[in-house]
Amino acid sequence: DTGVSQNPRHKITKRGQNVTFRCDPISEHNRLYWYRQTLGQGPEFLTYFQNEAQLEKSRLLSDRFSAERPKGSFSTLEIQRTEQGDSAMYLCASSLARQGEAFFGQGTRLTVV
Amino acid sequence: AQSVTQPDIHITVSEGASLELRCNYSYGATPYLFWYVQSPGQGLQLLLKYFSGDTLVQGIKGFEAEFKRSQSSFNLRKPSVHWSDAAEYFCAVGPFTSGTYKYIFGTGTRLKVLA
Repeated sequence: DTGVSQNPRHKITKRGQNVTFRCDPISEHNRLYWYRQTLGQGPEFLTYFQNEAQLEKSRLLSDRFSAERPKGSFSTLEIQRTEQGDSAMYLCASSLARQGEAFFGQGTRLTVV
Repeated sequence: AQSVTQPDIHITVSEGASLELRCNYSYGATPYLFWYVQSPGQGLQLLLKYFSGDTLVQGIKGFEAEFKRSQSSFNLRKPSVHWSDAAEYFCAVGPFTSGTYKYIFGTGTRLKVLA
């Protein structure tokens, strides 16, 4: 069990560019979450997958954001036409439905300049 | 709506002193409750969890938390703080069984430990 893996760890991009982040959950976990965290705040829910189905999306997830989890394994989070307000830490977590606790990755720190 | 409140933004304690971090939640039923710790630039590490049963739960690194239904609280405690405990601590509630499976986090308490 290598834990939840996120890549890249850091990303600096220019405003208006597209970025994509990847999350590899713990292998047997069927639930996968994306959260966003800004400085001094707690993690804010973005979206949730159970297996390959995206079951819930936050209103924070504007139409510039899209997430996928093909085949119920890894997940990607894409942000199109990035804005400075998108600068944040993007956290991925996974869990087993029957256990309840979520395990987090190290996060991807996005800086939009 | 479900929510989590951590009333203390910052707490400073001396090394060796006891610690209590407060957490209050709002939820109509008995929730699943968690405490996570986050070091700068890192992800969240699970300290402990409460699902049901004994209201005093033990976690890693010598932490414990007590669930009090009457106060809608889940406070985190440690009898003797170590310098390495300096970090940010988040209380969370979820996943819920009706309508949403997300976890909701408080805004965090930043712990500073004085030598």
